[in-house]
Amino acid sequence: DAKTTQPPSMDCAEGRAANLPCNHSTISGNEYVYWYRQIHSQGPQYIIHGLKNNETNEMASLIITEDRKSSTLILPHATLRDTAVYYCIVRVFSYNQGGKLIFGQGTELSVKP
Amino acid sequence: GAVVSQHPSWVICKSGTSVKIECRSLDFQATTMFWYRQFPKQSLMLMATSNEGSKATYEQGVEKDKFLINHASLTLSTLTVTSAHPEDSSFYICSARDLGTTEAFFGQGTRLTVV
Repeated sequence: DAKTTQPPSMDCAEGRAANLPCNHSTISGNEYVYWYRQIHSQGPQYIIHGLKNNETNEMASLIITEDRKSSTLILPHATLRDTAVYYCIVRVFSYNQGGKLIFGQGTELSVKP
Repeated sequence: GAVVSQHPSWVICKSGTSVKIECRSLDFQATTMFWYRQFPKQSLMLMATSNEGSKATYEQGVEKDKFLINHASLTLSTLTVTSAHPEDSSFYICSARDLGTTEAFFGQGTRLTVV
């Protein structure tokens, strides 16, 4: 699976949009971009995933560049509860695979009042 | 999303004893579950892949005789830390995937402290 690079930490003001970048320059054509987050002392939580089109769900939006070498996770109106470590992971999309994920260091997002 | 439950949430044990951690998929069947370990201020590290009805697949550097994994049914996997030592103190997390989806769901984690 391709490696990802994320900034180690970011701050965001409460109520503002949080934009978390991720570089995955070695991503291959059959690899999807997944985002998870981990609130302190809890298990990771799935947020969103995509291949090449932008995706949106009730939690966030995912913007993937045309060359697919980078992406941005957008939390449109960050709240204090969004303070967490956010992980960007690229992996092959497969219903047959079990769901093995290799985590990088992630971005520690601090949402401040 | 699907629910994965771990038990216990935390455990303290004496050095040299064994500890069993359970991981259950509550509303779906999982032929494959995964076990991770996380030390303070570090990312999750994949330890092993647990396959229902067959032996687990361990990542490089993980001692299979120390971390025993059993996947007895489609909804239960267990991780037993044998002869635990203080350096085994960590946050252990399991995950599983509902075959109808491609995203994995995680348990809430188990905090193990070996004294």
